[in-house]
Amino acid sequence: SQQGEEDPQALSIQEGENATMNCSYKTSINNLQWYRQNSGRGLVHLILIRSNEREKHSGRLRVTLDTSKKSSSLLITASRAADTASYFCATFASGGSYIPTFGRGTSLIVHP
Amino acid sequence: SAVISQKPSRDICQRGTSLTIQCQVDSQVTMMFWYRQQPGQSLTLIATANQGSEATYESGFVIDKFPISRPNLTFSTLTVSNMSPEDSSIYLCSGERSNTGELFFGEGSRLTVL
Repeated sequence: SQQGEEDPQALSIQEGENATMNCSYKTSINNLQWYRQNSGRGLVHLILIRSNEREKHSGRLRVTLDTSKKSSSLLITASRAADTASYFCATFASGGSYIPTFGRGTSLIVHP
Repeated sequence: SAVISQKPSRDICQRGTSLTIQCQVDSQVTMMFWYRQQPGQSLTLIATANQGSEATYESGFVIDKFPISRPNLTFSTLTVSNMSPEDSSIYLCSGERSNTGELFFGEGSRLTVL
């Protein structure tokens, strides 16, 4: 299994601070995606980064990918209370697999 | 963007009964997936629902326990059969946004089995 492992498992910060979450995986990937899940809701896609990309931005989100270390990070800048959620990375194996593998997630709490 | 309507959103069921969860997509989707998620945990893939053929189940999940239907490209159901308290969980359906590799999800069905 190439299940992604996020760390930290839980993160508590103040509004306005930056939040950084990391994801490590085990085998070669085609792409890696980050998702957000608000409590009791479904997952929402945030950003996709392909294996030949090193960094990607979307609004206040910045994702990096280091395929040599098999790791990715998600940075949320200037966090808001509304960013409180669980964040999951999902890896898609190289070789054409369409089945994603989700990590355990990071629970982020942003205090107003 | 595509939307999945999933129902029921939650239910409380008696041991030994079965419950069917429905997912309706507002556009055609080739791949649909069914996941189980324990509170505070990651998602575990149950099966991939294929239109016109049997679902493909992951290790540890069998068709007799989790029968799946996929009659067309916009609809799928998952039945949790002969439920026990161990089946208490959140069940999520998702679809793959065509040509993007991105997944979109229903809001989940929270089942409690007494």
